[in-house]
Amino acid sequence: GAGVSQSPRYKVAKRGQDVALRCDPISGHVSLFWYQQALGQGPEFLTYFQNEAQLDKSGLPSDRFFAERPEGSVSTLKIQRTQQEDSAVYLCASSARNRDGANVLTFGAGSRLTVL
Amino acid sequence: AQSVTQPDIHITVSEGASLELRCNYSYGATPYLFWYVQSPGQGLQLLLKYFSGDTLVQGIKGFEAEFKRSQSSFNLRKPSVHWSDAAEYFCAVGGNSNYQLIWGAGTKLIIKP
Repeated sequence: GAGVSQSPRYKVAKRGQDVALRCDPISGHVSLFWYQQALGQGPEFLTYFQNEAQLDKSGLPSDRFFAERPEGSVSTLKIQRTQQEDSAVYLCASSARNRDGANVLTFGAGSRLTVL
Repeated sequence: AQSVTQPDIHITVSEGASLELRCNYSYGATPYLFWYVQSPGQGLQLLLKYFSGDTLVQGIKGFEAEFKRSQSSFNLRKPSVHWSDAAEYFCAVGGNSNYQLIWGAGTKLIIKP
């Protein structure tokens, strides 16, 4: 597609529920990133995929967080047994690596999760 | 340690006035520098980037930024702001071998009519 698409845009969950957030990156972008953005803060890195391989998951805050990208395109971020501290905007970004080697990220609009 | 500092949490500017948003970084290698803008309820949009070459870079929406290696700064400027520029601005730094970007905490720009 023309841009990075995320769904749902808004999700309200009761504490303890599982949620799944979807990201559809720009076609052909091999790199995909998930970030968490708390209110009034910059994005915090969660995890990074290159095609279907999850190369870095060091930013996932707990083992309740799980991400996958099984066919190297669409990715899903799953949060099990949600807690109030999980309330945030979850941003997905994809990139085609620049010829200079840098990652120029294109972001989706985000999924705002509110845990009650 | 690698870090990005945006010293101003909020900045208020009158419409039509000039703008400068500050960004200082600490990075161990040659930095790649970015400015992103985030409007309420939206994702982050790339304004401009610096990889190498001319240290004054032009971006979208009339923004520019100047890389000053000696000051470890990459300040964002606009000669005349418009009400539609009201948003939050984020500075980020990365490197050639590092896929992770390091982000500042953001500066919220408020435009006075």
